Amino acid sequence: GAVVSQHPSWVICKSGTSVKIECRSLDFQATTMFWYRQFPKQSLMLMATSNEGSKATYEQGVEKDKFLINHASLTLSTLTVTSAHPEDSSFYICSANRPGYRGEKLFFGSGTQLSVL
Amino acid sequence: GESVGLHLPTLSVQEGDNSIINCAYSNSASDYFIWYKQESGKGPQFIIDIRSNMDKRQGQRVTVLLNKTVKHLSLQIAATQPGDSAVYFCAETRNQGGKLIFGQGTELSVKP
Repeated sequence: GAVVSQHPSWVICKSGTSVKIECRSLDFQATTMFWYRQFPKQSLMLMATSNEGSKATYEQGVEKDKFLINHASLTLSTLTVTSAHPEDSSFYICSANRPGYRGEKLFFGSGTQLSVL
Repeated sequence: GESVGLHLPTLSVQEGDNSIINCAYSNSASDYFIWYKQESGKGPQFIIDIRSNMDKRQGQRVTVLLNKTVKHLSLQIAATQPGDSAVYFCAETRNQGGKLIFGQGTELSVKP
């Protein structure tokens, strides 16, 4: 089946630094990817929709200057948490849409646990 | 609307029993629904899906029921096993492959 790779799986950084998370579709081209964040014992909250070659669409309440999304190719979307603070510590998950695929069309990465000290 | 940040309800069952996990979805315009299983520290894993033109769909040991009248979705797991212990989320979308809105989630604990 289709695979989405997310890297790194975990990262620890100091407050004020920026962290980049990568989401790759390994065996298909993804024109659309999605970024979610998840706090412990809570549901996944959609942050933004990443569209290849155009600006991302952010959900209400998500700061676009804080969470920079770049979808420069059909197989890669990146999420950069800029000037990270402890409250940004969370589990970040990406998913990729495989158009035209029969059955399941959305494939999830394995997530990135971000801890900001 | 979006899922709110509530703490997860839990369901505890005995190994071999059947489990029923419920979900209330928010958007009456949603036409595609998915159940996911999430283990600790991992991304969601697809279990089963259902379109709005159906009210029941069966998979291997799992059944999804959809009641559009009351905007309710349920996941039934037959002969629950310890490996089924995880958090289960329902998700809704207006078109297959579009952005998903996740429900609150339920933590399933299976006692051996």
